[in-house]
Amino acid sequence: KNEVEQSPQNLTAQEGEFITINCSYSVGISALHWLQQHPGGGIVSLFMLSSGKKKHGRLIATINIQEKHSSLHITASHPRDSAVYICAVSTKTSYDKVIFGPGTSLSVIP
Amino acid sequence: GAVVSQHPSRVICKSGTSVKIECRSLDFQATTMFWYRQFPKQSLMLMATSNEGSKATYEQGVEKDKFLINHASLTLSTLTVTSAHPEDSSFYICSLQQNYGYTFGSGTRLTVV
Repeated sequence: KNEVEQSPQNLTAQEGEFITINCSYSVGISALHWLQQHPGGGIVSLFMLSSGKKKHGRLIATINIQEKHSSLHITASHPRDSAVYICAVSTKTSYDKVIFGPGTSLSVIP
Repeated sequence: GAVVSQHPSRVICKSGTSVKIECRSLDFQATTMFWYRQFPKQSLMLMATSNEGSKATYEQGVEKDKFLINHASLTLSTLTVTSAHPEDSSFYICSLQQNYGYTFGSGTRLTVV
């Protein structure tokens, strides 16, 4: 079992739909990260969370430390949101050690 | 936030040659930078942690003599893939860590032929 898992693996949505991507982890963490990787490979850091909820534009990230679960929500999805979304955790044993999830490939069609 | 410039974005090299990838922090003094590798359809894997002025820390299974890391200044870390083989073909990406998260370079797609 991987230490960081994501669901779904692949997701296709119609433009305008509300999207949820889930992440669960099994290790102690100091922070959880949501990253966005575009088809060319470039990676953008979307959020870093250690508790609660964060919002940036149409993106919302939540984390439940007790349940070891995080969700990334995209409201009013748009084709430009099409990318791979990666959940990663900074482990408690070493803040520098990051474990990445397998990613969720999102395709938003017009 | 910090800006990280990674160069080159794509490189094709012959088997047996060496390739150097540069990662520059343009507006942040980074004592630590990270190098990752990503094979097709797989997730990012940490290769090594680059420390300014000292030796890099390599993850288990990563050959330090093959993947040479130099972090000679607070703004530049380099990864040199020595004696490259086709199995080294991959996507390599660097990052640095700040209080609010990670900033990534744009990545380098290496193809060894």
